[in-house]
Amino acid sequence: DAGVIQSPRHEVTEMGQEVTLRCKPISGHNSLFWYRQTMMRGLELLIYFNNNVPIDDSGMPEDRFSAKMPNASFSTLKIQPSEPRDSAVYFCASTGPPPLWGYTFGSGTRLTVV
Amino acid sequence: QQQVKQSPQSLIVQKGGISIINCAYENTAFDYFPWYQQFPGKGPALLIAIRPDVSEKKEGRFTISFNKSAKQFSLHIMDSQPGDSATYFCAASRGSNYQLIWGAGTKLIIKP
Repeated sequence: DAGVIQSPRHEVTEMGQEVTLRCKPISGHNSLFWYRQTMMRGLELLIYFNNNVPIDDSGMPEDRFSAKMPNASFSTLKIQPSEPRDSAVYFCASTGPPPLWGYTFGSGTRLTVV
Repeated sequence: QQQVKQSPQSLIVQKGGISIINCAYENTAFDYFPWYQQFPGKGPALLIAIRPDVSEKKEGRFTISFNKSAKQFSLHIMDSQPGDSATYFCAASRGSNYQLIWGAGTKLIIKP
């Protein structure tokens, strides 16, 4: 298994532009999580899906952020319009139903908004 | 009550020494306690996990000690090696695939 695949690995964009981050979870995993990591705030859960349905989006910072999971093998996190304070590493993680244990994280997308 | 408090924030240990990272929680409903290891430029990776029905779990040089009455758990790295230098996160949840509540992380540096 190739693990959780995220793209792009790096993204540099100008303030005000739309940014779309992509994630392919591990086949058979039924829960998917989007996290943001910064030095100041550590790991923050943005949203998680269970069986493609958003369960908790209370961590989404504001309406500029949206996430979708149209099927079990693909999810997107969109920021529109982007702002410099959105600069961070965004991780996608997936996990399966028991007895599949633990989250598997992707390698992350480093987003820089200038 | 949802917090997991992790200490220390950073830790420097000599090669061959024992590294100890501590976490404390309040929610007695938590029943799954994993530790994750993160190297620069990578996502966190599951290192070892424990459920509260045991007081200790060992995998190679890594051991979790769990104290249910004190609501604390710790990671011990025996014979610490420079390759163990990473950031370590503790976490807690109800069940293995529910939302994890994360500690703030400990940056561990092993000096050669």
